[in-house]
Amino acid sequence: NAGVTQTPKFRILKIGQSMTLQCTQDMNHNYMYWYRQDPGMGLKLIYYSVGAGITDKGEVPNGYNVSRSTTEDFPLRLELAAPSQTSVYFCASSSRTRSNTQYFGPGTRLTVL
Amino acid sequence: AQSVTQLGSHVSVSEGALVLLRCNYSSSVPPYLFWYVQYPNQGLQLLLKYTSAATLVKGINGFEAEFKKSETPFHLTKPSAHMSDAAEYFCAVSVNAGGTSYGKLTFGQGTILTVHP
Repeated sequence: NAGVTQTPKFRILKIGQSMTLQCTQDMNHNYMYWYRQDPGMGLKLIYYSVGAGITDKGEVPNGYNVSRSTTEDFPLRLELAAPSQTSVYFCASSSRTRSNTQYFGPGTRLTVL
Repeated sequence: AQSVTQLGSHVSVSEGALVLLRCNYSSSVPPYLFWYVQYPNQGLQLLLKYTSAATLVKGINGFEAEFKKSETPFHLTKPSAHMSDAAEYFCAVSVNAGGTSYGKLTFGQGTILTVHP
């Protein structure tokens, strides 16, 4: 049982490039989330999904897109990378329970130069 | 609406001393409360959670937190710090995830704990 996995671990992009951050969970969780973490700012929710085919914006969605075609996968797409998107990105998942305990992946460290 | 404030971005203690990491939350409905720990270059790991059962919540690695109804603190404590406790700690609050709610998790800004020999 791997939990939540993310690839890649590290990536350097040039301004204007695009990329997809991959996230997969094997816990059959309905809910999945993408966060970004910046120093001293805690975690900010980018997008979330309550099930396959259903996604919605979080606090900081600008510059990102997501899709959820399966229960397991929740990729995050950066279309035109900007320096402001330099951050550490975490994917998380949770089951549809009252407490919504979220389980996190190891993160992707992205630098945009 | 819910919010979380962690008091102190950095806390430094000596090995063997009491650890106290402060968190105040606000929520318009009964909350679920969490503490997560993040070791360097790793993801967040659940340390403990309060889900309306026992008010004194015990977590991993000897940490605990107490929920007091009608009060806002949800401080994290450990009687005796160990060098391996050095990490960043996040307090978070969520509300009922039932129905159409997705149970948004709101995080505090984080507190970096340093443990000195």
